This record gives sequence, structure tokens and C-alpha cells, in this order.
Amino acid sequence: DTGVSQDPRHKITKRGQNVTFRCDPISEHNRLYWYRQTLGQGPEFLTYFQNEAQLEKSRLLSDRFSAERPKGSFSTLEIQRTEQGDSAMYLCASSPRQVFTEAFFGQGTRLTVV
Amino acid sequence: DQQVKQNSPSLSVQEGRISILNCDYTNSMFDYFLWYKKYPAEGPTFLISISSIKDKNEDGRFTVFLNKSAKHLSLHIVPSQPGDSAVYFCAAAEAAGNNRKLIWGLGTSLAVNP
Repeated sequence: DTGVSQDPRHKITKRGQNVTFRCDPISEHNRLYWYRQTLGQGPEFLTYFQNEAQLEKSRLLSDRFSAERPKGSFSTLEIQRTEQGDSAMYLCASSPRQVFTEAFFGQGTRLTVV
Repeated sequence: DQQVKQNSPSLSVQEGRISILNCDYTNSMFDYFLWYKKYPAEGPTFLISISSIKDKNEDGRFTVFLNKSAKHLSLHIVPSQPGDSAVYFCAAAEAAGNNRKLIWGLGTSLAVNP
């Protein structure tokens, strides 16, 4: 499978715990995006990387959230001290350098904070 | 403040008929628009896009129409098939030449009945 893959697919955690999600983009794609989608809403932009550089962060991304893409390949999204409001689908997407607008999405990680 | 609006949460059509999904936007700086399809438990899949310099783009059974003066676009699916049943998201790219993120609508759930 050469698409965008995300791990895990589902995560249930207790409030206050830390969680980390991983995204493996399509190998030749330089740009990587994280989105969050809550029930009944469209995806909301969180952050994006061009290679290993994190170029933009949404104000939705509080200081409990951190994302990395250390070698310009896979990326991780960590949420510290999770809250019930963090429950959502976290989507990762990647795109070729010049074709951002046709990003390919992974299947997402469904986070439930109990 | 929803900059991309899909006012119909759901739509039901008969197989073989036309499906028309509508999308309105408020930001006149949007210059590229996309439609994504999403099945349950999967990430969104790119379907079709249109630049603001065009008023129509066609790809097989899918056609997107853009009316810039009305800030309105629509997706036509002809003929509709049961496999088209999914949630359809309209998204807009923010700022020409700086399109680092997409602004999404809330989605329209399409059901195509056999």
C-alpha cells in the first residue's frame, strides 16, 4: 500500500494521559498536514510541514499539542494531558510540492478521551 | 464564522438520477475549490477541483460549476450510483499563491437509493 497511513486507527485514553499518533505520508510528498474532525464538522486545519520544517500552526493547536517531522518523512502528533474535548478524528494528509490542493488523506486516528 | 457553507446536511436521490450538491462561500479571496468524498472510517478522497478562472470542470460523471458572482459552487453527479453514497465535503483554498491550507464545509451526506 503506497497511500498515507496512520497509526493507530483507534485510541481510547483516560483524561490526563498523553497520546501520540503517527503518520507516514506518500514517500515523494514534501508537504504533510494534520487536520482534526469532530462529529458533524468538516476537517479543521491544525498544522503543516514542508519537509521537516513546521511552517504553520493553527490557533486550535494549544500548547498541549506538538507535532514533529524530524527527517522530513513520517510525522508524529502528540497530545499531552488529554481532555474530553480532544476526542475527534485526527487526519493526516500529504501532497506533492506544487500540488497542495490535491492532498491525499490517511484513514485517520479516532481518539476517544474518557 | 463558517466561510464555506454546505446548507444541506443530507440528500437522497434515486439511482440513475442527478445528484446536485451545493456549496456557498463568503471569502472572496478563495480562488481554488475542491470536492472530497468521505466514506465512514476512511479519510476524505479528492474528487474534483476548479480554479476561479473557470466556471465549469468535468470529470466523467462528476461536474463542478462555479458562480463567482454568487460565491456559489455545485457538484453534479450524473448518473448517480449506489456507490456514490458518502459524505461530500466542499473545500476552498485560502489565498492565491499561499494556499497552504483548506477551509472545509460541514459536509453533505448523499444517499443514492437503488
